[in-house]
Amino acid sequence: GNSVTQMEGPVTLSEEAFLTINCTYTATGYPSLFWYVQYPGEGLQLLLKATKADDKGSNKGFEATYRKETTSFHLEKGSVQVSDSAVYFCALTGGIGRTGNQFYFGTGTSLTVIP
Amino acid sequence: GAVVSQHPSRVICKSGTSVKIECRSLDFQATTMFWYRQFPKKSLMLMATSNEGSKATYEQGVEKDKFLINHASLTLSTLTVTSAHPEDSSFYICSATRGAGSFLNSPLHFGNGTRLTVT
Repeated sequence: GNSVTQMEGPVTLSEEAFLTINCTYTATGYPSLFWYVQYPGEGLQLLLKATKADDKGSNKGFEATYRKETTSFHLEKGSVQVSDSAVYFCALTGGIGRTGNQFYFGTGTSLTVIP
Repeated sequence: GAVVSQHPSRVICKSGTSVKIECRSLDFQATTMFWYRQFPKKSLMLMATSNEGSKATYEQGVEKDKFLINHASLTLSTLTVTSAHPEDSSFYICSATRGAGSFLNSPLHFGNGTRLTVT
């Protein structure tokens, strides 16, 4: 079946530190991969996505590369800011059949960036 | 950008009562809405998919008589937790999309979620 495994948090970093949040997946077919972000008191927002192997999604300084060989989609940012403090969710769509439009989410990783 | 409003953000109710949660798309017509439930330190679990004007499709293991979903218009879907029990306490999130097809072309927009506590 389809599933997403995401590193557990919480993660606390100092401003300008390098961020990596690991995400691996299990899927049948050819899933698309996403990172969503939830800022305090707000809903989930799409951060970036990648639709096929070796694609790199990027937005707001965050990047993630779709690695089919390692079934991973790790989120990275070179220099985090206090405003990046949020919960980050890795997700995939099933890619085929009935589950093709169903989202599978990771557990979420809480990031706190301190000045 | 597209906005989905979910109300209430928090609700506390007594065991045995029913609670209704609303999900509205404010600036677009939502062909499809989804309801998720999030347990502590767990993934968001898809409960059901609702399309305007038709019955919701429930995921395996979700009691349709307990979690009533109505998608009466293109901008409103409601989730009613009937005869709530403490084990129904959770964080419920709705999302909406314009399209009925791939999320690649019609992104999901999420509400802020509802924290339900059943005492």
